[in-house]
Amino acid sequence: QSVLTQPPSASGTPGQRVTISCSGSSSNIGSKTVNWYQQLPGTAPKLLIFSNSQRPSGVPDRFSGSKSGTSASLAISGLQSEDEADYYCASWDVNLNGPVFGGGTKLTVL
Amino acid sequence: EVQLVESGGGLVRPGGSLRLSCVASGFTFSTYNMHWVRQAPGKGLEWVSSISGTSTYIYYADSVKGRFTVSRDNAKNSLYLQMNSLRAGDTAVYYCARAFSGGLPGYWGQGTLVTVSS
Repeated sequence: QSVLTQPPSASGTPGQRVTISCSGSSSNIGSKTVNWYQQLPGTAPKLLIFSNSQRPSGVPDRFSGSKSGTSASLAISGLQSEDEADYYCASWDVNLNGPVFGGGTKLTVL
Repeated sequence: EVQLVESGGGLVRPGGSLRLSCVASGFTFSTYNMHWVRQAPGKGLEWVSSISGTSTYIYYADSVKGRFTVSRDNAKNSLYLQMNSLRAGDTAVYYCARAFSGGLPGYWGQGTLVTVSS
């Protein structure tokens, strides 16, 4: 069971906007920043969003992140077929002294 | 360009040992915290261990504490994970990752598969 809670699945049609939620607690999201990762089938995770809402260079601005209290969310606008992947949130946990992850959300583009 | 290349994975019997390595390039290795993160087949990401740049701070997940040991050799730009008393539940792809923002993993290697089975 993951420390951070994500919905196991999400879906949308091309061009739509989808959001993925991530819920934590005061020992992680509530006091630390959130990263989001995209994992395409058979590949390593790739950093998508850091510090709650910042995009690394090369990540399209269709991807955006936000945080409020002990929850965070990832939004993908203008959904494309290549966005079909697993998405994970992560935050540092001050009690565990390590990063904690959500269980992952499998995004399907219909 | 940041590159992380893991090696050392393979098939090992329950109770056995394995040592994973991760060679880093493209950045000043000694100045970054490093992590090991694993992913069991068909499952999500699970943090395993973290080590600070000078090895002053070392942390482990409860699931591996007392069995796994993380270390680094900054002269060789290398990160290691010594895994002892392996169990079937340790079967996973093991990724090494460099800290980026907030201490969280930012750059990831391609992973190395560890299979624990008799």
